[in-house]
Amino acid sequence: DSGVTQTPKHLITATGQRVTLRCSPRSGDLSVYWYQQSLDQGLQFLIQYYNGEERAKGNILERFSAQQFPDLHSELNLSSLELGDSALYFCASSYRGKDTEAFFGQGTRLTVV
Amino acid sequence: TQLLEQSPQFLSIQEGENLTVYCNSSSVFSSLQWYRQEPGEGPVLLVTVVTGGEVKKLKRLTFQFGDARKDSSLHITAAQPGDTGLYLCAGEMAGGGADGLTFGKGTHLIIQP
Repeated sequence: DSGVTQTPKHLITATGQRVTLRCSPRSGDLSVYWYQQSLDQGLQFLIQYYNGEERAKGNILERFSAQQFPDLHSELNLSSLELGDSALYFCASSYRGKDTEAFFGQGTRLTVV
Repeated sequence: TQLLEQSPQFLSIQEGENLTVYCNSSSVFSSLQWYRQEPGEGPVLLVTVVTGGEVKKLKRLTFQFGDARKDSSLHITAAQPGDTGLYLCAGEMAGGGADGLTFGKGTHLIIQP
């Protein structure tokens, strides 16, 4: 158990819909990262938050957004969903803003039908 | 273009054999990490290497960071079925860029009893 909690574990939704994925980091970790994993692209960095502030942006679509709340949990919002958004979405956390020693949650498997 | 190229993509060998998987890039990394991911789970950090030429051992696993900090290898001695999984390398770009970890696409390893 990495100490990072992601909910829900599975999500099935229709195209055009909007969903929210939730992540609770390890106790004491200030930094949260979101990654998307698909079979053809591997693990792709989406976005990083550190202590409530956006720190870095990767390959995140404009239809996607995220935030980190004062209690340090984070949410990833995906809207106007397309079939190609089906993937595993992982959250990871680390103590500082550096990625070394990042711990991953178990992921949310999103299926868009 | 994938920043981190992992090879081979797939490897299936018999229990007891030795193997090496590679992670190569044309970019310099300040640190490089190896993760192992099992189906339905998030990646689990195995090791972090930060110094060019560094070698770290974890039981039967030996990790090496290239002298120029552009490549790494993972060697497994006397592989066991429990070593089966997806092995991912991930690098943190030199220069302190806040781009998150860059992942390779991974090596799918199957150890047959």
